[in-house]
Amino acid sequence: GAGVSQSPSNKVTEKGKDVELRCDPISGHTALYWYRQSLGQGLEFLIYFQGNSAPDKSGLPSDRFSAERTGGSVSTLTIQRTQQEDSAVYLCASSWRVTNTGELFFGEGSRLTVL
Amino acid sequence: DQQVKQNSPSLSVQEGRISILNCDYTNSMFDYFLWYKKYPAEGPTFLISISSIKDKNEDGRFTVFLNKSAKHLSLHIVPSQPGDSAVYFCAAAGSSNTGKLIFGQGTTLQVKP
Repeated sequence: GAGVSQSPSNKVTEKGKDVELRCDPISGHTALYWYRQSLGQGLEFLIYFQGNSAPDKSGLPSDRFSAERTGGSVSTLTIQRTQQEDSAVYLCASSWRVTNTGELFFGEGSRLTVL
Repeated sequence: DQQVKQNSPSLSVQEGRISILNCDYTNSMFDYFLWYKKYPAEGPTFLISISSIKDKNEDGRFTVFLNKSAKHLSLHIVPSQPGDSAVYFCAAAGSSNTGKLIFGQGTTLQVKP
């Protein structure tokens, strides 16, 4: 498809387990972002990647969270030893370049539920 | 510390009337503001934006107004249509060109036929 693709769309896991969420950005987009939306909250910035530059990880809530982007395309967000407060919709977005003025193209999100 | 606030969780208007969604911010360093629209089970989609050097930007039925002295922006939808029913998020960005948008909590708009 032409849009940002995320998988899985839904993930239910037990507290303490590790999870991986995948994002396939729009072809040709050099910037990739991860946000999350907890229940009743706005979107919270987690991390972004721009080309081959070092990622900005300033939004990651703890060291249990990590992300990588291989080959400048697909990205994986990993949450280790999940906690109930990690339950949220994790949204990936991409854009032509890192920008504050252009639009971000979001995927449909991965809904994570930690029991 | 909520830097971008949407104080109305929901709004209901009649089809054909004006919808006004409000957003307040605290950081005077923000220099770009955006509105995103989100339908259930879909990702947010960009709607309209405004630079801090402007006070109004219009795109069809959608107009965004920025009042920098009040640190307030609003989105006007005229005329409102049932298909506009969605969650609307305002977002703000600083000058560091990082794509790190600060989002409000969202306002759910319902347009009744």
